Amino acid sequence: NAGVTQTPKFQVLKTGQSMTLQCAQDMNHEYMSWYRQDPGMGLRLIHYSVGAGITDQGEVPNGYNVSRSTTEDFPLRLLSAAPSQTSVYFCASSKGGGQPQHFGDGTRLSIL
Amino acid sequence: QQQVKQSPQSLIVQKGGISIINCAYENTAFDYFPWYQQFPGKGPALLIAIRPDVSEKKEGRFTISFNKSAKQFSLHIMDSQPGDSATYFCAASYSYMDSNYQLIWGAGTKLIIKP
Repeated sequence: NAGVTQTPKFQVLKTGQSMTLQCAQDMNHEYMSWYRQDPGMGLRLIHYSVGAGITDQGEVPNGYNVSRSTTEDFPLRLLSAAPSQTSVYFCASSKGGGQPQHFGDGTRLSIL
Repeated sequence: QQQVKQSPQSLIVQKGGISIINCAYENTAFDYFPWYQQFPGKGPALLIAIRPDVSEKKEGRFTISFNKSAKQFSLHIMDSQPGDSATYFCAASYSYMDSNYQLIWGAGTKLIIKP
């Protein structure tokens, strides 16, 4: 059972480039979320989805887009990368509200 | 009102000792309080969780103590082992049906267990 799979594991971008971080889960979870983790700041929610076709903004959504066309996939798009977006990005899924979240192993992103 | 404040930021404990990490919240509507454990290079993983209808929950060496009136909850790790060295996050949310929910995260505690 793969759980939550994130690709790529590492990425280096130049300022202004765009890219998509992939997230897939095989647990048939309705809820999926994207977080960024920065030193001393814990996990900050970027965007989340409560089901296919439904997305909403979290605490730090600026500069990121998401879509949820299937239950399994929840990609995160960086529109025009900025050095402030250098971070570790985690995708998570859960059955629903107040349920344990299952995390992927993260994508380490550096913006030069 | 949405914050979860976690302390300490870092903690060093001798092997066999008790590790204690504290969290405080403000929103009395929160009804789900999980703790997550994160090892370097990995995503957080659920360690233990509690709902406010109980004051304590124990799973092996890990115990959550919950004080509803003080709006505080803490993680106790008994007989701490070097393998417990990790970053620990507390979190809180409300879990009403058919509604969006968000986990509100503490800033994390880096725990080091010295052999």
